[in-house]
Amino acid sequence: EIVMTQSPATLSVSPGERATLSCRASQSVTSKLAWYQQKPGQAPRLLIYGASTRATGIPARFSGSGSGTEFTLTISSLQSEDFAVYYCQQYNNGPWTFGRGAKVEIK
Amino acid sequence: EVQLVESGGGLVQPGGSLRLSCAASGFTFSSYWMSWVRQAPGRGLEWVANIKQDGSKKYFVDSVKGRFTISRDNAKNSLYLQMNSLRAEDTAIYYCARDLNMGDFYGYWGRGTLVTVSS
Repeated sequence: EIVMTQSPATLSVSPGERATLSCRASQSVTSKLAWYQQKPGQAPRLLIYGASTRATGIPARFSGSGSGTEFTLTISSLQSEDFAVYYCQQYNNGPWTFGRGAKVEIK
Repeated sequence: EVQLVESGGGLVQPGGSLRLSCAASGFTFSSYWMSWVRQAPGRGLEWVANIKQDGSKKYFVDSVKGRFTISRDNAKNSLYLQMNSLRAEDTAIYYCARDLNMGDFYGYWGRGTLVTVSS
């Protein structure tokens, strides 16, 4: 099973600032990496797939990069609605596995 | 509009059984793999199982193999998860999820149904 490690676990950021979240895979997942956003009491929402392709309706301030084992989600200028938990997921090798999540909180 | 609506969750004793359902609408159900993903309270996400469009292939996470089965009824646009020999660690919100036909990531999720395994 591929283990996905996210860092940091919690990121404190002021509105308008940039947030950078990392996700590392225990072995290569090529570019088969997705990012989700989850708010309390809600289902996850797909942000990015293929490591860098934004899902339909996702604002351009969200961007993804990386391949192999190292990936990054960047939120260029945090809006109030972006404070949430973010998960990465690999879909290169079954079982599909998620990171433990990274919480972006208001500083 | 794609809609996935789960039902069937509840409180069950350890060793008991429960059957979850997911009613799908707004898309051609028979054209997509379907999945169950769970989330223990305050924890992260865990893929549980998926099933091919015609039901001919099914995959499970190791922790539920032999205890859970997944099935679908394309005529009823419905997905099911039969959970037997339930354990406390199966306590979670169970989400029905659909991919975008571009890989096993999930573009559509239901709101989830809570399963609590406790005596």
